[in-house]
Amino acid sequence: KAGVTQTPRYLIKTRGQQVTLSCSPISGHRSVSWYQQTPGQGLQFLFEYFSETQRNKGNFPGRFSGRQFSNSRSEMNVSTLELGDSALYLCASSSQGGTGKNIQYFGAGTRLSVL
Amino acid sequence: AQRVTQPEKLLSVFKGAPVELKCNYSYSGSPELFWYVQYSRQRLQLLLRHISRESIKGFTADLNKGETSFHLKKPFAQEEDSAMYYCALGYGQNFVFGPGTRLSVLP
Repeated sequence: KAGVTQTPRYLIKTRGQQVTLSCSPISGHRSVSWYQQTPGQGLQFLFEYFSETQRNKGNFPGRFSGRQFSNSRSEMNVSTLELGDSALYLCASSSQGGTGKNIQYFGAGTRLSVL
Repeated sequence: AQRVTQPEKLLSVFKGAPVELKCNYSYSGSPELFWYVQYSRQRLQLLLRHISRESIKGFTADLNKGETSFHLKKPFAQEEDSAMYYCALGYGQNFVFGPGTRLSVLP
């Protein structure tokens, strides 16, 4: 099985712009979670989608949003980018909903740089 | 709020020495505990989970509910163990990572 695929791998944007990141989960996995990884804050949970529904949300501003399609692929959107949004964004999929109990499989990440 | 602490940001040991990466959590219910590892230029991956009670790459971790700890141990560290290690807590449908400990195994 192919692993979790994130595109693009690298992005450079300027303040005020918006960006969309994409994640294709492992085939058959219906849960997709997004994380922000920074040197200062570590790994922070953004949100989780299961069967096209957002089931869980972390403590991030409304500028961060996401969605999931019927084929379980997910997108994350960040609007009005700020310098502090520069980070590695990780996507993880699991076979079932409820990330609390299930193994998550991570993608390689999208590195976003905001100038 | 539920949280995970890993007191050491960096842990350096010599090859062949024992290693223990500490993890404490705060959660009053029945937790699911995990250790994830990120080797250089590789993606984050599961190392082990407490319900499996298995040894992976020589690492073991025991859940101590009384001390709310899930420390990761290996009796003899190898250079290839150098990586970033994250302890993680799952509860209900939620998941939280600790800040991570960078393990450096010196030759």
